[in-house]
Amino acid sequence: GAGVSQTPSNKVTEKGKYVELRCDPISGHTALYWYRQSLGQGPEFLIYFQGTGAADDSGLPNDRFFAVRPEGSVSTLKIQRTERGDSAVYLCASSLAGDYNEQFFGPGTRLTVL
Amino acid sequence: TQLLEQSPQFLSIQEGENLTVYCNSSSVFSSLQWYRQEPGEGPVLLVTVVTGGEVKKLKRLTFQFGDARKDSSLHITAAQPGDTGLYLCAGAGSNYQLIWGAGTKLIIKP
Repeated sequence: GAGVSQTPSNKVTEKGKYVELRCDPISGHTALYWYRQSLGQGPEFLIYFQGTGAADDSGLPNDRFFAVRPEGSVSTLKIQRTERGDSAVYLCASSLAGDYNEQFFGPGTRLTVL
Repeated sequence: TQLLEQSPQFLSIQEGENLTVYCNSSSVFSSLQWYRQEPGEGPVLLVTVVTGGEVKKLKRLTFQFGDARKDSSLHITAAQPGDTGLYLCAGAGSNYQLIWGAGTKLIIKP
């Protein structure tokens, strides 16, 4: 596609449930990033993929969060046993390589945990 | 830990006025980026500054990188309602990770 797409655009779930957020990067971009953004804040780094592998997952807040990118394109961010504090906008970005100067962002998924 | 402090957090001004947004850190960055984000969308890159003292202009927007590469400013001349949005600065450190400021929410009233 022309840009980074994310689905769903909005997700409302109950505390304790499992959710999956999907990111479809720009075709040909090998690097993919997940961020979390709370209201009134800048993006908070979660995880970075180079190809299929997670090059850096140091931003994942705890073991309830996990992300995959099995074929080096689409990525899924998985959150188990959701908590109210997980509510935020989850942003995905991609770039041609691990070049932070060229990150292109998707519109985000707004997650609300009730 | 690298931090970027952005100020002001919120700014509401009349159309036609000038404004400046600041991004400050005690750390040196190899480059610094400015993004604009609108509600319901992801940030969009406006500019990247790389060299200490560098000034870049994008129409009515002027971006400056401090001589020591620790701070940056965004100046908007004759602001228009279309400039309304969240402006974010992000510094590139020693690796690929970006260090983000908290953002400046700008409202331009017609």
